[in-house]
Amino acid sequence: SQQGEEDPQALSIQEGENATMNCSYKTSINNLQWYRQNSGRGLVHLILIRSNEREKHSGRLRVTLDTSKKSSSLLITASRAADTASYFCVPISGTYKYIFGTGTRLKVLA
Amino acid sequence: NAGVTQTPKFQVLKTGQSMTLQCAQDMNHEYMSWYRQDPGMGLRLIHYSVGAGITDQGEVPNGYNVSRSTTEDFPLRLLSAAPSQTSVYFCASSSPRGGGGNEQFFGPGTRLTVL
Repeated sequence: SQQGEEDPQALSIQEGENATMNCSYKTSINNLQWYRQNSGRGLVHLILIRSNEREKHSGRLRVTLDTSKKSSSLLITASRAADTASYFCVPISGTYKYIFGTGTRLKVLA
Repeated sequence: NAGVTQTPKFQVLKTGQSMTLQCAQDMNHEYMSWYRQDPGMGLRLIHYSVGAGITDQGEVPNGYNVSRSTTEDFPLRLLSAAPSQTSVYFCASSSPRGGGGNEQFFGPGTRLTVL
């Protein structure tokens, strides 16, 4: 198991702008998952991208994966105030230990 | 489906007391886990289970016990509460169908304060 490292730690943008956050990991993976947590509440799964995929879309979310660089990015387009949350990436290496990093805290200003 | 449920939502303990945090899921998920989250921090894995009768330690297991007698339930026991265990506790579950590493579903959390 391994932990993803999100970057930046914090991000503030205006409503309507795009938000990009990055994730790096250390060893090969089966898949990588992104989660969102609103203000101390439970986490919600956003998207899962498998190691043989390079890009995946879900609504306003776009995730890319570069296994050669061991990195992923999450793009949120046309951000809304409701997107204000912490975002976590979880690289999965074939075991059942899901290890979370410290996340990226996104603040979308109205 | 109720998903993942946790009880209680809030709890205050005195140092040295013991208690059990309850977690249940109705999705027939084999994998369940417990995390703690301290203010401004990410989640840290306490214990996890890959099926009934099978448990293993996570990153921060000291001071906590778990058991998994059924697929549905995964209680977390604090043996002798300490102020350092003040935190928000989350339970999660997922299914290994399709090879494992699938999305986790989280409960709403239990906010624990130890005085």
